[in-house]
Amino acid sequence: AQSVTQLGSHVSVSEGALVLLRCNYSSSVPPYLFWYVQYPNQGLQLLLKYTTGATLVKGINGFEAEFKKSETSFHLTKPSAHMSDAAEYFCAVKSRGYRDDKIIFGKGTRLHILP
Amino acid sequence: DTAVSQTPKYLVTQMGNDKSIKCEQNLGHDTMYWYKQDSKKFLKIMFSYNNKELIINETVPNRFSPKSPDKAHLNLHINSLELGDSAVYFCASSQRVLGNRKNTEAFFGQGTRLTVV
Repeated sequence: AQSVTQLGSHVSVSEGALVLLRCNYSSSVPPYLFWYVQYPNQGLQLLLKYTTGATLVKGINGFEAEFKKSETSFHLTKPSAHMSDAAEYFCAVKSRGYRDDKIIFGKGTRLHILP
Repeated sequence: DTAVSQTPKYLVTQMGNDKSIKCEQNLGHDTMYWYKQDSKKFLKIMFSYNNKELIINETVPNRFSPKSPDKAHLNLHINSLELGDSAVYFCASSQRVLGNRKNTEAFFGQGTRLTVV
């Protein structure tokens, strides 16, 4: 069975500092990988995804993530944090199986930006 | 133009009542989902439909009954509401196959905050 682990339910960084949110997955076959962001009282918005090809994936709002098969990781980074980045971030996986449409989410990491 | 829309956005009701949440997507997708987000922000899939056919039912109590009248709609009816049903419910949609490749991401609605008192 697939699972997703996000290290740290809360992460605080200063404005302008590097953002690093950690995600590890468990799956017998490398799955599709996603990062979603949720702003307060909003739905989930896709930040970026990894399906195939280049392992460094760039997303919206300056975020990027790198798929590392050997480490079963898909950590999210941003070089310089902005106050508007404060939100809940979810790492998620989806099986490559044709009929398996389930997206499994990690427990989320709340990102706090300190002025 | 909202891609995945849910109504209502907020729902406050008493224990024992029956309520419905509606979801519509205008993306032309063939797969729709219901997710439940609890007070700790944990997202858990409840149901998935593909072309109006139930694909996933994640051991959700029988009091929850999804209905998909067509590919663009997936409604959620809840009978005999309990305090523990209080949560935010998200509808989402995706397209299983795009061209000759399996499509991947899901698009989410804004959520329905259900409060049972």
